[in-house]
Amino acid sequence: QQQVKQSPQSLIVQKGGISIINCAYENTAFDYFPWYQQFPGKGPALLIAIRPDVSEKKEGRFTISFNKSAKQFSLHIMDSQPGDSATYFCAASIEIKAAGNKLTFGGGTRVLVKP
Amino acid sequence: SQTIHQWPATLVQPVGSPLSLECTVEGTSNPNLYWYRQAAGRGLQLLFYSVGIGQISSEVPQNLSASRPQDRQFILSSKKLLLSDSGFYLCAWSAAGGTNYGYTFGSGTRLTVV
Repeated sequence: QQQVKQSPQSLIVQKGGISIINCAYENTAFDYFPWYQQFPGKGPALLIAIRPDVSEKKEGRFTISFNKSAKQFSLHIMDSQPGDSATYFCAASIEIKAAGNKLTFGGGTRVLVKP
Repeated sequence: SQTIHQWPATLVQPVGSPLSLECTVEGTSNPNLYWYRQAAGRGLQLLFYSVGIGQISSEVPQNLSASRPQDRQFILSSKKLLLSDSGFYLCAWSAAGGTNYGYTFGSGTRLTVV
């Protein structure tokens, strides 16, 4: 029940195109859904996050769509740029008194944007 | 502002040697602290987490241990490294309490066991 399944494992998109990454979860107690961006040799950095009381959140070219009934959420990267080439991780969080806000990560998606 | 420091950035160690990786957080009190490992091209595996000084929880049995001797210091150790301990080690922190913020990761340590 703690799993977060992420797809695809990798994707290639042309510059200016749309990158779409999907995640699904089982545990309905999850209440915070962040996305992280990781460049090679660096730690992941928080990109954008959403709570289940909203269906969409947009920050610049990055949009999270959230479907609570389907227990799915996705990241859309609009007008993809070569600088967006990175690995993206979705995650889901639940507050556990003994463990803080424990994040469960998806397996990651390697995005390559071709110029 | 809060910052997280992790060192060293890279490390090459022989099999059987000890390990000590250190992580410190500045600008916050009583953070939740986490150690993750990332194998090449793979996802993030939670190794240890801590919600307070001396409080360590282990997620997977392994050749590693963790300690939290001070509020904002988190140490990952091993007495004898194995080849399988190679990987990218990441420390992270999150705010304690019910705000449910995401994690802030350090820059990582690339460990190669030879």
